[in-house]
Amino acid sequence: EAGVAQSPRYKIIEKRQSVAFWCNPISGHATLYWYQQILGQGPKLLIQFQNNGVVDDSQLPKDRFSAERLKGVDSTLKIQPAKLEDSAVYLCASSSLGVAGEQYFGPGTRLTVT
Amino acid sequence: GQQVMQIPQYQHVQEGEDFTTYCNSSTTLSNIQWYKQRPGGHPVFLIQLVKSGEVKKQKRLTFQFGEAKKNSSLHITATQTTDVGTYFCAPTSGTYKYIFGTGTRLKVLA
Repeated sequence: EAGVAQSPRYKIIEKRQSVAFWCNPISGHATLYWYQQILGQGPKLLIQFQNNGVVDDSQLPKDRFSAERLKGVDSTLKIQPAKLEDSAVYLCASSSLGVAGEQYFGPGTRLTVT
Repeated sequence: GQQVMQIPQYQHVQEGEDFTTYCNSSTTLSNIQWYKQRPGGHPVFLIQLVKSGEVKKQKRLTFQFGEAKKNSSLHITATQTTDVGTYFCAPTSGTYKYIFGTGTRLKVLA
């Protein structure tokens, strides 16, 4: 079974620029999550989708972050404009059972904002 | 934001020694998951505990859920260099979901 795919793997941008990350979950997984992991910390949930609907985006900084999951499969996370404190690894995960299911994580995108 | 505390934050052990990390919550949990993240890698699911007092074993790893469902532990017997990484708990409760613990970073010295 193919795992969760993410791209790009690395991105370096200047502050105030915009950036987008892409995620392709495991086939058949209805639930998709985006996490932000700052160095030395645990992953922090940004947004959770169930199919193409948002279940939880309470920790998403909506003034600069946006996410969508068209057709309930692939998802994109965008930051515009980026700030220095957005430097982190952005992890995408998927699961088949929602809150009860184990999450399968992708390799992540390491973002550096200079 | 809410935090789930794990102790210790760091642990260095000699290969062959045992290791334990604890996850503590102030609220009663519905369930708890444990993940391992190797240096430079992504979190990988280890186990999920649901029942009060539940104990599950995976080879050298023993996972326990407290009787009051407010804490959990992961114990590794006779550590190996392959056990190196950060261990996170990820509890779920009515108050919060998908909150990862602060993590315990394990270093195994050969």
